[in-house]
Amino acid sequence: AQSVTQLDSHVSVSEGTPVLLRCNYSSSYSPSLFWYVQHPNKGLQLLLKYTSAATLVKGINGFEAEFKKSETSFHLTKPSAHMSDAAEYFCVVSDPPPLMEYGNKLVFGAGTILRVKS
Amino acid sequence: AAGVIQSPRHLIKEKRETATLKCYPIPRHDTVYWYQQGPGQDPQFLISFYEKMQSDKGSIPDRFSAQQFSDYHSELNMSSLELGDSALYFCASSLGNSGAHSYEQYFGPGTRLTVT
Repeated sequence: AQSVTQLDSHVSVSEGTPVLLRCNYSSSYSPSLFWYVQHPNKGLQLLLKYTSAATLVKGINGFEAEFKKSETSFHLTKPSAHMSDAAEYFCVVSDPPPLMEYGNKLVFGAGTILRVKS
Repeated sequence: AAGVIQSPRHLIKEKRETATLKCYPIPRHDTVYWYQQGPGQDPQFLISFYEKMQSDKGSIPDRFSAQQFSDYHSELNMSSLELGDSALYFCASSLGNSGAHSYEQYFGPGTRLTVT
């Protein structure tokens, strides 16, 4: 089964400084990977996705992530944090891979809470 | 653009009661997923449907059942509610078989169920 591990449960950065949220995945084949964001008492919003095309994926709100097969990593980055980025971020893998006919359940990491200090 | 609609947004029930959660997918989406997010937890997959047939099943209790109707909306039925069922229930939809944008799941705002 596919799984993801988010290496930090909490990350705190100052406004205007870079953001790095770390994620490692485990998969027996080429995975589809996603980052979702959840603001307090809100739903889940897709930030970006990797589906075996370009390894550097750009998402919304200035976020991007790089798929590194050799390191089994899919870290999320942003050059400059904004106060509105404060939220919980989930690294997600699709299980099974998107070659099958039907949709695929998502397996979530435990989440990383990002705090942005002014 | 139209999003996934869930109703009700909030629901309070007592132990042993039943509850029905509804999900209306994005128009033309044929796949619906249900997830349960307990307090301070990550979302856990419950069940999914593709073209009105169950396509996958996760950690869904036997007390729960779900179905997808001809208009593609889905309902999650929960019986004999327990305190531990208190959670945020998300529905997501996707276009299950359309090439580059397949399997991108769009989430609804969730239904917050509180069992007292």
